[in-house]
Amino acid sequence: DVKVTQSSRYLVKRTGEKVFLECVQDMDHENMFWYRQDPGLGLRLIYFSYDVKMKEKGDIPEGYSVSREKKERFSLILESASTNQTSMYLCASSPYPAGGGAYEQYFGPGTRLTVT
Amino acid sequence: AQTVTQSQPEMSVQEAETVTLSCTYDTSESDYYLFWYKQPPSRQMILVIRQEAYKQQNATENRFSVNFQKAAKSFSLKISDSQLGDAAMYFCAYRSLNTGNQFYFGTGTSLTVIP
Repeated sequence: DVKVTQSSRYLVKRTGEKVFLECVQDMDHENMFWYRQDPGLGLRLIYFSYDVKMKEKGDIPEGYSVSREKKERFSLILESASTNQTSMYLCASSPYPAGGGAYEQYFGPGTRLTVT
Repeated sequence: AQTVTQSQPEMSVQEAETVTLSCTYDTSESDYYLFWYKQPPSRQMILVIRQEAYKQQNATENRFSVNFQKAAKSFSLKISDSQLGDAAMYFCAYRSLNTGNQFYFGTGTSLTVIP
């Protein structure tokens, strides 16, 4: 089974702190994604990466950065945490859709981040 | 960018009955993939069912089936013989084959199963 793990289930940080959220997948997937999930807003894409050291901005990249130094690991960085970044953060991975297959995303368990 | 709309924020169904969750999407692409994901209260998102746009036949997975209407850009999920374990948030998702293989999600439908 594909496994996507996230470094923390719950995290409490103070305003202004630098926050690192780590995500690791074990299935050699090319694509990795970071979303934030808020009630009534669904999943909003922050950043995604389709290869090592490659990244693309999603819909809400402001206040976030990412790092992908190894294929299996995709990190989300909050440079200076703010209270409006309190949210659930979901990491996902997916193989490149070669061969016409409908490859889905596999999700991690999520990190509930609270910024006080 | 593609948009995915789930117009039912909340739905409820009696145990053993059938319920249909709605999803519409907006796209100019001809080839894409559609998915329904389930997120139980434990928060782990899992795939329920998938549909390739080039396939006319509606996908089925046990008690879950879809009604895919490509011209109408509609992709509804039908859950038959509802069980208590079906209670969850359900998300409809669209995968583009052009825009960096991004996924676009709806805002979700919270399904309650009444014993």
